[in-house]
Amino acid sequence: DAGITQSPRHKVTETGTPVTLRCHQTENHRYMYWYRQDPGHGLRLIHYSYGVKDTDKGEVSDGYSVSRSKTEDFLLTLESATSSQTSVYFCAISPTGFGANYGYTFGSGTRLTVV
Amino acid sequence: DAKTTQPPSMDCAEGRAANLPCNHSTISGNEYVYWYRQIHSQGPQYIIHGLKNNETNEMASLIITEDRKSSTLILPHATLRDTSVYYCIVRGVMDSNYQLIWGAGTKLIIKP
Repeated sequence: DAGITQSPRHKVTETGTPVTLRCHQTENHRYMYWYRQDPGHGLRLIHYSYGVKDTDKGEVSDGYSVSRSKTEDFLLTLESATSSQTSVYFCAISPTGFGANYGYTFGSGTRLTVV
Repeated sequence: DAKTTQPPSMDCAEGRAANLPCNHSTISGNEYVYWYRQIHSQGPQYIIHGLKNNETNEMASLIITEDRKSSTLILPHATLRDTSVYYCIVRGVMDSNYQLIWGAGTKLIIKP
């Protein structure tokens, strides 16, 4: 997706290891979000950021931490990966809070498998 | 619980208009209707949103009933590339509640 990239696109990791996913944007949007998508649950918000070093929890934040040291980068860390964190992770950005008025722009996703 | 109700699936012939309904009977006065779509394994894509007036952009039209309890997304000339899952979501512009409710959506299949 234009202006937003996620890395890696695919990752397999072992239970108990830390994992960091990266979201990079070139749109200079203030707001950034991490979602996970699982069958039967739709998209669920993990954490979001409303500015550099300003972050807050979403509905499924347990086991995850985030950092935003620059406007363009938002990192999601699984502190000790578990099989229940096997999912597709999407990063999203928006110029206004929670996609008001302009909607969200989503990245292409990271497929994470914890074995 | 989702604030919206959509049919689980629909078919449409290529070149015809695809009309996707959404019921949001509990919508409040300050809540907008948003539509996104998600092509398999990709991130969702914003399509359009509206409050009470009908809206049109380069992708689609949004028709909202006068009582605002339902809406229809119209893809005027559907192509095979429009095959996707379409999500209808309601939220308030000033809503600080991050908990957007993404339901199961409608799987739209465009047939040649």
